[in-house]
Amino acid sequence: GENVEQHPSTLSVQEGDSAVIKCTYSDSASNYFPWYKQELGKGPQLIIDIRSNVGEKKDQRIAVTLNKTAKHFSLHITETQPEDSAVYFCAAVVDTGRRALTFGSGTRLQVQP
Amino acid sequence: ETGVTQTPRHLVMGMTNKKSLKCEQHLGHNAMYWYKQSAKKPLELMFVYSLEERVENNSVPSRFSPECPNSSHLFLHLHTLQPEDSALYLCASSQDWTSGSETQYFGPGTRLLVL
Repeated sequence: GENVEQHPSTLSVQEGDSAVIKCTYSDSASNYFPWYKQELGKGPQLIIDIRSNVGEKKDQRIAVTLNKTAKHFSLHITETQPEDSAVYFCAAVVDTGRRALTFGSGTRLQVQP
Repeated sequence: ETGVTQTPRHLVMGMTNKKSLKCEQHLGHNAMYWYKQSAKKPLELMFVYSLEERVENNSVPSRFSPECPNSSHLFLHLHTLQPEDSALYLCASSQDWTSGSETQYFGPGTRLLVL
């Protein structure tokens, strides 16, 4: 089955700096890659996603890149703010067949003011 | 909030107790999910219900018993749990189960401690 590895497990940056979180996946058939943000006391919330026919997607300060050949995808947050502090999860899924998301183990991002 | 509520938010139970977790979604979705979130481990999918039918059981021990009486409500019945079952149990819903790229909306979770 699919295996998703996520790095780093913790990341501390200064406010205004950029943060990058990387994930690799094992199943070459995976074609949908969402990113979730989980704040303390809340469930994960989708912040951005990308499909395998696209190499990059941006939404304001957040961007995701996908390298299908290398089977890795990354989350980029620019101009970080204290409210970006949370745990971020990547996930991968094959869009058809067994459609269950496989999640990475999470990255705890701390933005220092 | 996301439109998915879970009760209780915190639960402490002994290994011989029986308790139930409740999830309700107000989004008009047709698919609902139970996940287990343990410290420093990826979210683990437990069960999936689509149109009130269980479509996925991810090798979960029988001491966890799900129930989906209608498309808005999902329960997880717990009995004779073990301390290693202590975790955050998350409920989620999505429009349907036909595509893995349907956005899943998560509730806040129930923090369970088994003594």
